[in-house]
Amino acid sequence: NAGVMQNPRHLVRRRGQEARLRCSPMKGHSHVYWYRQLPEEGLKFMVYLQKENIIDESGMPKERFSAEFPKEGPSILRIQQVVRGDSAAYFCASSPPGLGNTIYFGEGSWLTVV
Amino acid sequence: AQSVTQLDSQVPVFEEAPVELRCNYSSSVSVYLFWYVQYPNQGLQLLLKYLSGSTLVKGINGFEAEFNKSQTSFHLRKPSVHISDTAEYFCAVSVAIKAAGNKLTFGGGTRVLVKP
Repeated sequence: NAGVMQNPRHLVRRRGQEARLRCSPMKGHSHVYWYRQLPEEGLKFMVYLQKENIIDESGMPKERFSAEFPKEGPSILRIQQVVRGDSAAYFCASSPPGLGNTIYFGEGSWLTVV
Repeated sequence: AQSVTQLDSQVPVFEEAPVELRCNYSSSVSVYLFWYVQYPNQGLQLLLKYLSGSTLVKGINGFEAEFNKSQTSFHLRKPSVHISDTAEYFCAVSVAIKAAGNKLTFGGGTRVLVKP
C-alpha cells in the first residue's frame, strides 16, 4: 500500500509565477489535509478536504491560495503569483473517515521562490 | 480553539541517556493526542497516539508517552537514546468532533540532538 504521494518534491518558481502542488492520498483515504512549514517553524494547518468538498479552509491565506480534491485524481494546492514569503515546505496528509484515525503524511513539496 | 505548547525548542542529550520532551495542550473539548517525528527533509512519521484507556502509551522506536488529564500534558520519553533519534519531534492534538475530521493542531516542535 503506497503512502501519501506528493509531487513535485522540489519546485523553484520566480516571483509572480504559479505553483501547483499535487497530492495522492493513501488508498482508501477520503480525507486530505494540507499543512505549511516555514523555515525553523512548526506545521500550520491550511485546509481540510474531502472528495469534491472543502471542509475547513480556516488556515488558507485569503488571496492567491486555493485547493481542490476532485472526484478523480489528486488533490491540488495552487498558489498564484508567488512571493518570496511563500517559500516553505508544503505537506499533504490523508486519513480514512472516522475520529481518532491516524493521519499519514507525505514527504513534502519544497517550494523556493526566487 | 485548541493549542499545543512544546516547552523546549531544543534538547541536547548524550547517547544512551534518557530524554523527556514536554507537551502541554489547551482545549475546551475532548482531544486525541499524537507525537510525530520528522527527520531532516522528510515528512512526519507517527510515533504514538492516545485516544482513550490506559494513560501510558507505547510507541515505535522505544518511545512512550503519558497522558495526564489534570495537567493537560502528554510528555514523551525514551529511557536510552541513540544517535539515530536526532530529529524534530512534534506534539499534536485533534478534537473529538466529527466536523473537524482528524485535523491536527501542532506544537512548535522540539529539536533533539543526540551527542556521542
